Amino acid sequence: SQQGEEDPQALSIQEGENATMNCSYKTSINNLQWYRQNSGRGLVHLILIRSNEREKHSGRLRVTLDTSKKSSSLLITASRAADTASYFCATDDPSQGGSEKLVFGKGMKLTVNP
Amino acid sequence: DAGVIQSPRHEVTEMGQEVTLRCKPISGHDYLFWYRQTMMRGLELLIYFNNNVPIDDSGMPEDRFSAKMPNASFSTLKIQPSEPRDSAVYFCASSLTGRGGYTFGSGTRLTVV
Repeated sequence: SQQGEEDPQALSIQEGENATMNCSYKTSINNLQWYRQNSGRGLVHLILIRSNEREKHSGRLRVTLDTSKKSSSLLITASRAADTASYFCATDDPSQGGSEKLVFGKGMKLTVNP
Repeated sequence: DAGVIQSPRHEVTEMGQEVTLRCKPISGHDYLFWYRQTMMRGLELLIYFNNNVPIDDSGMPEDRFSAKMPNASFSTLKIQPSEPRDSAVYFCASSLTGRGGYTFGSGTRLTVV
């Protein structure tokens, strides 16, 4: 099964800096999504980017998608201590037709130091 | 809406006992997913339903696991008998076709001793 892999696996930065996380996947997709998970909580949907889009913004988040390289990046600008969490990319599987099924990567731990 | 509601939040049980995890999806969502999360294996999809019908249960580890969705507002995941290797956090999530994005519950942390 296809699965996104986040890189780096862990990142530690200072408050105010930007954080960039990368995701690579294996086969074609309809869309790619990013989620955040705070410690001890469920995942929270951040943003969805479709295969015909190259860039998308939501507040301090910027997501890019390069389908030729099968990769995506999530940029968090002006990071805050509250951004400390694990971040996951998830991809759908077009071979599943219109299914909403997603496969998640193993996640990346971001620590923002105050 | 109160979001996806899972119960219990924590469950500690002895090996061999039956465990039932419960999930109430968001009203109007037509997909429901059960995932298991461990440090070693990350998030694994166990089974998912569309309009209360199981679509893909290929992720269910073995016959000890079963899931039901008797109606649009309730689903259960049952483990019988439970084993220590089943210890994990189990998440339920729901989504609406075409809207993109899952809503996850807070999870059930299962410990089998």
